[in-house]
Amino acid sequence: QVQLVESGGGVVQPGRSLRLSCAASGFTFNIYSMHWVRQAPGKGLEWVAVISYDGYNKYYADSVKGRFTISRDNSKNTLHLQMNSLRSEDTAVYYCARGILYFGELDGNPWGQGTLVTVSS
Amino acid sequence: QSALTQPPSVSGSPGQSVTISCTGTSSDVNSYKSFSWYQQPPGSAPKLMIYEISNRPSGVPDRFSGSKSGNTASLTISGLQAEDEADYYCSSYTTGSTFYVVFGGGTKLTVL
Repeated sequence: QVQLVESGGGVVQPGRSLRLSCAASGFTFNIYSMHWVRQAPGKGLEWVAVISYDGYNKYYADSVKGRFTISRDNSKNTLHLQMNSLRSEDTAVYYCARGILYFGELDGNPWGQGTLVTVSS
Repeated sequence: QSALTQPPSVSGSPGQSVTISCTGTSSDVNSYKSFSWYQQPPGSAPKLMIYEISNRPSGVPDRFSGSKSGNTASLTISGLQAEDEADYYCSSYTTGSTFYVVFGGGTKLTVL
């Protein structure tokens, strides 16, 4: 079955960087698009970014555009989110989730359990 | 990137039915492709309950149903059970010159 395990969260100061990873298993990673979705404490879900199966097409939420970069390593079945110039409003649990084949929307398979990022001085 | 509008909370007694609405703004609703619904119990990751407006994934009880009319999608839960108490989020996405996924603000369902 589809399994996604996020890692890399922690406490970071405003303006600093952090890199999240998502290890995927149970499916053929290199033919599926992948997403990051976040949830601030006590708040709703916010989509962050999507990447196509081959890494060529990437789209971002306006709130993170220019600061975050989504990438993937198909040889290691791993998804990444490089987060730069972090702000307090980036504090959230970050989930990775599978998209449909090649590129597109979330496909509804179980998400990871998430990794908490706290931006605080 | 607009969001979808949901009521903050709904409630119902066991055995009753409740409906949660999800409305896109009139200026962009026609660009939304389909709607999905997620259930999120406290402390858990979201789980897909309805996709493509009205389809249920395997394992989701048929007490959960989805529909759409105009610019509003709806999730109806019939025969409420205590285990249904959770936050519910609608979601859609747009394509074309750009791509993004949007979520509603979430609705807290309380089973009285």
